[in-house]
Amino acid sequence: DAGITQSPRYKITETGRQVTLMCHQTWSHSYMFWYRQDLGHGLRLIYYSAAADITDKGEVPDGYVVSRSKTENFPLTLESATRSQTSVYFCASRRLAEETQYFGPGTRLLVL
Amino acid sequence: GENVEQHPSTLSVQEGDSAVIKCTYSDSASNYFPWYKQELGKRPQLIIDIRSNVGEKKDQRIAVTLNKTAKHFSLHITETQPEDSAVYFCAAGVGAGSYQLTFGKGTKLSVIP
Repeated sequence: DAGITQSPRYKITETGRQVTLMCHQTWSHSYMFWYRQDLGHGLRLIYYSAAADITDKGEVPDGYVVSRSKTENFPLTLESATRSQTSVYFCASRRLAEETQYFGPGTRLLVL
Repeated sequence: GENVEQHPSTLSVQEGDSAVIKCTYSDSASNYFPWYKQELGKRPQLIIDIRSNVGEKKDQRIAVTLNKTAKHFSLHITETQPEDSAVYFCAAGVGAGSYQLTFGKGTKLSVIP
């Protein structure tokens, strides 16, 4: 579990501000994912990446931007935060040849 | 896209009884079905998974069954213990490469001592 970390763990911001959530994994996993978790919705995929410089949209990508310049990092940016983006954000990763996704500890984001 | 329905949303059982959580999926191409357990304030953790070429899989007190024809799969926990209390999520993965997971909305299991 210590192989995938997220920062910050808690963040309070205001509507309209830009926020970046960081995800770092030490396993050299090829795939990385960003989910948001909201009551009544479970976990929903925002974006995923198959390798450095390869990203693709998930179920709920609007309002988010991702990049992956290095295999180990997969930051998620909210360019102009809205109250509806208040949520718990989980990063996950997996090896190329395996299906199991390993989750990070999560970031609780509150947008005022 | 894939749609995963999970029932029930809440489940209370007496310690020692069995618990069953059921999920249905819509995309017949899905071929990977994991179950995650999430304790309060913690990250989801994989507890068991099954692939479409297998009908049942067991790991101690936990078992998962898959019916591809009916497109449903279930989690069975026997001899429940208080530490089994958590939210359980099913998911379905489709695609040979990305295995994007679509999650159910979760079941809050409470085991009453």
